[in-house]
Amino acid sequence: GAGVSQSPSNKVTEKGKDVELRCDPISGHTALYWYRQSLGQGLEFLIYFQGNSAPDKSGLPSDRFSAERTGGSVSTLTIQRTQQEDSAVYLCASSYDPQRTQYFGPGTRLTVL
Amino acid sequence: SQQGEEDPQALSIQEGENATMNCSYKTSINNLQWYRQNSGRGLVHLILIRSNEREKHSGRLRVTLDTSKKSSSLLITASRAADTASYFCAPRSGQNFVFGPGTRLSVLP
Repeated sequence: GAGVSQSPSNKVTEKGKDVELRCDPISGHTALYWYRQSLGQGLEFLIYFQGNSAPDKSGLPSDRFSAERTGGSVSTLTIQRTQQEDSAVYLCASSYDPQRTQYFGPGTRLTVL
Repeated sequence: SQQGEEDPQALSIQEGENATMNCSYKTSINNLQWYRQNSGRGLVHLILIRSNEREKHSGRLRVTLDTSKKSSSLLITASRAADTASYFCAPRSGQNFVFGPGTRLSVLP
């Protein structure tokens, strides 16, 4: 079946602009995760959704970052007033429940000029 | 959240050789998963081992888990150039976890 999809695959933006990143999880997966990976680094946890609620927002690096999930499915990660240090690959993952395997999307490569 | 620490950070081997990567973690876990990442994009789930399991096989992959030492190893036998990638472990003890920096494996033809 279809895996996790993310859009856009690449995004180049100017410093100060807002960006929205989208994640379509695997159908039926209740848990959804956002991660960030800077060049050559490991993954950094950003936020986790169980259904439409986010029990853990501890990883969001600043109040410029927000995320929402609607209908227990699609999620959007919004970065306001982007900065150059926001440049990274943003990965989304979903799982049937929090204790099961996470399946990752291909990521969105964000470049802030 | 739980973070796995992979060791070594980088590993270069010849095609056909075996590659062993290790992972250590700090607190008790429910399970531990290994992932592979090619070219810095998207992770692929390789294998999940539960806390009550000691060893698990999948094709050329063998994973061991020692909960008393809080460590796991991933062995890739008869490596191929296509195995070149970064490998991450993900110990799970709650609802989320943090990946470590991974092991960068290079398999030379």
